[in-house]
Parts: sequence; C-alpha cells; structure tokens
Amino acid sequence: DQQVKQNSPSLSVQEGRISILNCDYTNSMFDYFLWYKKYPAEGPTFLISISSIKDKNEDGRFTVFLNKSAKHLSLHIVPSQPGDSAVYFCAAGNSGGGADGLTFGKGTHLIIQP
Amino acid sequence: DVKVTQSSRYLVKRTGEKVFLECVQDMDHENMFWYRQDPGLGLRLIYFSYDVKMKEKGDIPEGYSVSREKKERFSLILESASTNQTSMYLCASSLGLGGRSPLHFGNGTRLTVT
Repeated sequence: DQQVKQNSPSLSVQEGRISILNCDYTNSMFDYFLWYKKYPAEGPTFLISISSIKDKNEDGRFTVFLNKSAKHLSLHIVPSQPGDSAVYFCAAGNSGGGADGLTFGKGTHLIIQP
Repeated sequence: DVKVTQSSRYLVKRTGEKVFLECVQDMDHENMFWYRQDPGLGLRLIYFSYDVKMKEKGDIPEGYSVSREKKERFSLILESASTNQTSMYLCASSLGLGGRSPLHFGNGTRLTVT
C-alpha cells in the first residue's frame, strides 16, 4: 500500500516557466512533509519542508503548498532553470515521536527544456 | 555541513556472497538509515538505527541485516547476495526522528549481483 504517491513519473517544462510537482498521501498520521532533489549518481538532497500546521512555505524560487483536507501537496519552482532538471522525491513523516524513517514517493523526473 | 560517506560507489558481487556496505557520518547524528532506490519504486527503507547497538526493521528488511557498533558508523549486510538485491543503496543520517529532521544522504553505492 503506497502511502505517498507521485503520479507523474516525468514532467517537462520550458526554462523560465513554472514547474509544479504534485504529491498525494494517504496516512493521516503524517504531519511533516519534505521534498528532496536527486541528481544522477548523487544522494538526494533536502530542498524544502512544511509542517501540517501551515499551508504554505516558501524558500527563494521554491514554494510548497499543503492541502490537508485533500491530503495533497505540491512543489512550485519559479522560474525554472536548467539546473533544476533532476528527480524530485516527496517524503512524509510523523513528528510525534514515531521511530520510523521518512516514507518516500516514487519520484518525478523534472526536465527543464531550453 | 553534514557529511555522510559510503565506502564504495560501485560494487559487483556474485550470488551467494556475503556483502558489507559501510556508511560513516561526521555530525554526531543519533539516527542512521539504509534505503534502496529502484527505478519506478522510489526509495524504500530497509533498516534504521536510533542509537548504538539499536536497530529497527524498515519496510523491506528481508535478506538484510545491519550493525551499529559505533555512533558514526552503520553497516548494511547482505547475508547471501541475490540478483534481486541489485540496486542503488543509500545511507542517511538525521538528528531527530520523524518528519522534522531532514535526512542527509550519502552518494550511494550501486551494487550489482551477478
């Protein structure tokens, strides 16, 4: 049973436009959500996170939106740059003391076209 | 900056061999994790440890074991390697558990079992 779902395996966006990556989750116990970026032959790097008490968090070109009622979050990148081409993983966790690692989605491969 | 170092970038082993994957972190993090990444499956948690000599099973522990004798070092052991364990293995560490502490990943070990 997949608790974190990224339904788009890939996404192609023109340079300078907005990239929107989507993520859905099913576990109501998740209260913290993170996005990771991964280049080939490297480990994932942390990008941005959001707590369930917020509906938006912004860091430079990156904004994450959380819709708790829909159990949906999205990552907006604007403007998109060539260096943003990577695989993006959505992850979720429970900050309430659960002894688990994060649960990851399958990833979305973002391709920024010149 | 946190540094998580995995001892090998690439490994080729034969079916039935015992395989050791080593990981060291330099930030005195309590928690360490082993994930594997497979195309179309994302990152899946194998084992994690929240203290020296403590370990917990993740989502896919079968065929694996772990060892944490020192705080900075977390080893993944494939008792008898099989071809379905061919994968990218990612080690990570974090300061806290649950969602609030981002994971810091190493660059991965690509293991091929023939």
